[in-house]
This record gives sequence, C-alpha cells and structure tokens, in this order.
Amino acid sequence: DAGVIQSPRHEVTEMGQEVTLRCKPISGHNSLFWYRQTMMRGLELLIYFNNNVPIDDSGMPEDRFSAKMPNASFSTLKIQPSEPRDSAVYFCASSSDYGYTFGSGTRLTVV
Amino acid sequence: SQQGEEDPQALSIQEGENATMNCSYKTSINNLQWYRQNSGRGLVHLILIRSNEREKHSGRLRVTLDTSKKSSSLLITASRAADTASYFCATDGNTGGFKTIFGAGTRLFVKA
Repeated sequence: DAGVIQSPRHEVTEMGQEVTLRCKPISGHNSLFWYRQTMMRGLELLIYFNNNVPIDDSGMPEDRFSAKMPNASFSTLKIQPSEPRDSAVYFCASSSDYGYTFGSGTRLTVV
Repeated sequence: SQQGEEDPQALSIQEGENATMNCSYKTSINNLQWYRQNSGRGLVHLILIRSNEREKHSGRLRVTLDTSKKSSSLLITASRAADTASYFCATDGNTGGFKTIFGAGTRLFVKA
C-alpha cells in the first residue's frame, strides 16, 4: 500500500487565487481527516469524513474553505479565495482502528 | 483549548539516554495515541493504548496510561540521533464520533 497520497507537495500561489489540495486515503479506511499545521497554532483538525460523509466541519476556519469526498478514494480541500494567513502545511489522514496514517502534507504558501 | 498537552515542550538529551515525555488530557477517552513527526514530514503513528490498558511496549518505546490522573507518558529507551523529532499525543473521546485531538507536541533532540 502506498499510504495516504497528497498532492501537490508544495503550492505557491498569489493571494486571491483558488487552491485545491488533493488526497487519496488508504483503501479500506473509512474515515478521512484534513488537518492544518502551523508553528503558531500547531495541528488543527479542519474537517473529517466517515464513509464519505462530512461529520464535523467545525474546524473549517471560514467559508473560503470547503472540502469534498465524492468517493472512498478521493478527497479535496479547496480554498477560494486564498489569503496569506492560509499559509501552512495541510495534512490528510485516514484511519483504521489502530491509528491514523498521515500523508506527507502539502506546504501551501500564499503570497 | 487542546485536549492533549505534552510536556516538556522541548527536550535535549545525549544518545543512549532515555527520553520521557508526558501528556495530559481533559476529558474521558477511548484511547490515546502517540505519534512522531520528523521535520517537514507527516505524523507517523507509534503506538495506541486503550483506556483499559495501563502499559504498552513496542520495541524501545514504553507507554503508560493513568486514566485517574488523565495522563500518559512515552519513554524512549537507549535513544538514538534518529529519534530526533517532535512527538505528539492524541486522544479519542468516548462521546461518539471519530474526532481525535492532538496536543502541541514535544520536540526531542538527541545529540550524537
């Protein structure tokens, strides 16, 4: 198994542009999570899905953020429009009964 | 506020020494997990301990859980330079759902 796959690994974009982050969870994992990590705030849970259904999106900072999981093998996190304060590393994780498996993250820089 | 809080925030030791990190949490849990994060990488799951367990071992790792004190410790024995990383505890609540809350982490530096 290739693990949780995120793309792109790095993204640099200008303020106001739309950014789409992608995640492919581990096959058979029923839950998928999007986290954001910054030095100031640490690791924050943004949203999680169970069986492709969004369960809790209370961590999504603003309406500019949206996430979808159209099927069990794919999820996207979209920021529109992006702002410099969105700069962070965004992690996707999927889970089994034994813990989470994280992707390598997308480092987003909004200039 | 964070459910899990680790201490110390940073720890620097010599190779071969043991490293102990602690985690405290606020609410009842189903399980507690420890993760490692190397710089610039994703978190790697190390060990999960369930609320009815008191101690668990995995290689050079030893995890304890005291639910009465709402605390856990991670002990790394005979540390190596490759153990240099940030270590996070994470808790799953027992109120249903799948939400896991991560602490702020302990940064461990092992000097060769």
